[in-house]
Amino acid sequence: AQSVTQLDSQVPVFEEAPVELRCNYSSSVSVYLFWYVQYPNQGLQLLLKYLSGSTLVKSINGFEAEFNKSQTSFHLRKPSVHISDTAEYFCAVSGRDDKIIFGKGTRLHILP
Amino acid sequence: KAGVTQTPRYLIKTRGQQVTLSCSPISGHRSVSWYQQTPGQGLQFLFEYFSETQRNKGNFPGRFSGRQFSNSRSEMNVSTLELGDSALYLCASRMGPSSYEQYFGPGTRLTVT
Repeated sequence: AQSVTQLDSQVPVFEEAPVELRCNYSSSVSVYLFWYVQYPNQGLQLLLKYLSGSTLVKSINGFEAEFNKSQTSFHLRKPSVHISDTAEYFCAVSGRDDKIIFGKGTRLHILP
Repeated sequence: KAGVTQTPRYLIKTRGQQVTLSCSPISGHRSVSWYQQTPGQGLQFLFEYFSETQRNKGNFPGRFSGRQFSNSRSEMNVSTLELGDSALYLCASRMGPSSYEQYFGPGTRLTVT
């Protein structure tokens, strides 16, 4: 069975500083990996996904994530955060059974 | 194209009562999933429906049930409410089981007193 671990429940970072949100997964089969973002009082939105091909995937608002099969990781990075990035970020994994399993989320706090 | 809609957005119920939540997927999407979101547990998968049939089920007691109608709209029912059922209930739709992109609704905030 698949599982997802987001090691950090909260990450504070100063505005314009870089950030990395960590995600590790466990699966015995090929997986598809996702990052979702939830802004306050809203539902989740798909930020980026890895299905196949290039292991580095990017979003339109400057986030990127790299699929690392040997380390079973899919960490999310941004070189310079903005106050509008304040949100909760969820890593998710899906495998052959089509179930999508979510991590417990990481709250990103942007400090002025 | 309209997004996923959920009704009601907020609900307050008393222990022991039952509740029904509704979800309308994006037009053309035939798969609907339900999740419970709480601060301590994150998102927990409840169940998924496709073409009016339950495809997958999470690890929740039988008090939690759902159904899907022929127009792909889905309802979720919780009977004999407990305080621990207080949560944000999220609905997500996708084209079908083989589509990995899910689109989430804004959720229904259920408070049980």
